Amino acid sequence: EDKVVQSPLSLVVHEGDTVTLNCSYEVTNFRSLLWYKQEKKAPTFLFMLTSSGIEKKSGRLSSILDKKELFSILNITATQTGDSAVYLCAVDCYGGATNKLIFGTGTLLAVQP
Amino acid sequence: EPEVTQTPSHQVTQMGQEVILRCVPISNHLYFYWYRQILGQKVEFLVSFYNNEISEKSEIFDDQFSVERPDGSNFTLKIRSTKLEDSAMYFCASKGSYLANYGYTFGSGTRLTVV
Repeated sequence: EDKVVQSPLSLVVHEGDTVTLNCSYEVTNFRSLLWYKQEKKAPTFLFMLTSSGIEKKSGRLSSILDKKELFSILNITATQTGDSAVYLCAVDCYGGATNKLIFGTGTLLAVQP
Repeated sequence: EPEVTQTPSHQVTQMGQEVILRCVPISNHLYFYWYRQILGQKVEFLVSFYNNEISEKSEIFDDQFSVERPDGSNFTLKIRSTKLEDSAMYFCASKGSYLANYGYTFGSGTRLTVV
């Protein structure tokens, strides 16, 4: 059974801290790994990773994928209260004529002032 | 930026009633999806749709569920006889290509409450 596991489940930090969120996966027909930020409603896209070892960066956020060890990390530096959200890791798997996303349970990040 | 639009944003229905959740995917996208998220749980795949037919469905997507793309723009999820456990946030998503480097665009969701 395809599985995506995120850790930690929740995290409380202070503004300015650096956090690392983890995602490991066991899936068949891996296509890519995606990170989303979910605040109130729809997941909003952060990164898509398809190749090992290539860091993707967007401002204070960065992410990298290891396809040999089957995991990815999402780093957030100099955290701000606006970073408080659930961070979702999802693996895009090929199945039949279409792909589908398998989501982890998410990491709830709370950034305190 | 193109958006996936879902209506209504919130629907309350009585157990046993039929509901139709509506989605307008991005116009040139080819692949359409429904996901759901029960409160406090993870986002779960329900069904994928391509070339006017279901491509894959999860074990959640039983005979009470159906999808349609009736007019080339709307993409609907119908639950024929709702149960309390169908209460969840339902997300529609669309994708422009099956290629690995094409992302998914999610709608803002419909919160379904079955009472």
